[in-house]
Amino acid sequence: EAGVTQFPSHSVIEKGQTVTLRCDPISGHDNLYWYRRVMGKEIKFLLHFVKESKQDESGMPNNRFLAERTGGTYSTLKVQPAELEDSGVYFCASSLTTVMYFGPGTRLTVT
Amino acid sequence: SQKIEQNSEALNIQEGKTATLTCNYTNYSPAYLQWYRQDPGRGPVFLLLIRENEKEKRKERLKVTFDTTLKQSLFHITASQPADSATYLCALDMKGSGGSYIPTFGRGTSLIVHP
Repeated sequence: EAGVTQFPSHSVIEKGQTVTLRCDPISGHDNLYWYRRVMGKEIKFLLHFVKESKQDESGMPNNRFLAERTGGTYSTLKVQPAELEDSGVYFCASSLTTVMYFGPGTRLTVT
Repeated sequence: SQKIEQNSEALNIQEGKTATLTCNYTNYSPAYLQWYRQDPGRGPVFLLLIRENEKEKRKERLKVTFDTTLKQSLFHITASQPADSATYLCALDMKGSGGSYIPTFGRGTSLIVHP
């Protein structure tokens, strides 16, 4: 069974540009989460989808971040316009119940 | 506010010894607590889950305890091996604003097992 995949693995963009991260969860997992780890800090929750609905987006930093989950399958996280403080590793995870399966992360560097 | 604390300093131990990692939390009563392992450049990998009504859980060389009075979980790796070297994260379910329980992570503790 394929695990959670994320694309790209690494992205370097300039401040003010737009970046879209993609996550493909494990097939059949209704729950999809986005987390972010900024260097030296803990992994912080951003957003939770149940199927295609946003269940909780209390962790989204501001309105420059937009997450979608088309048809309850894959999800995208768009950052527009990117700022320096958006740099970090963005993790996606999916779950059936409580145990989460993480993807390898996308390392975003904003210069 | 709710807080999860894990030892920020790396734990260095000799191969074959038991590693014990600590997760403390405040201002919260989680229904369950999870432990994950994270290797450099990879996402966290689930290891064990323990519920509030369970005192201890084991899986092969791993053991987790959960003391809801002390608000503490201990994670033990017996007969440690260099391959156990990684960062270990604890996660508690915390109620998000949307009403669902969101796994919330501590910073993790780095374990280094020396041959």
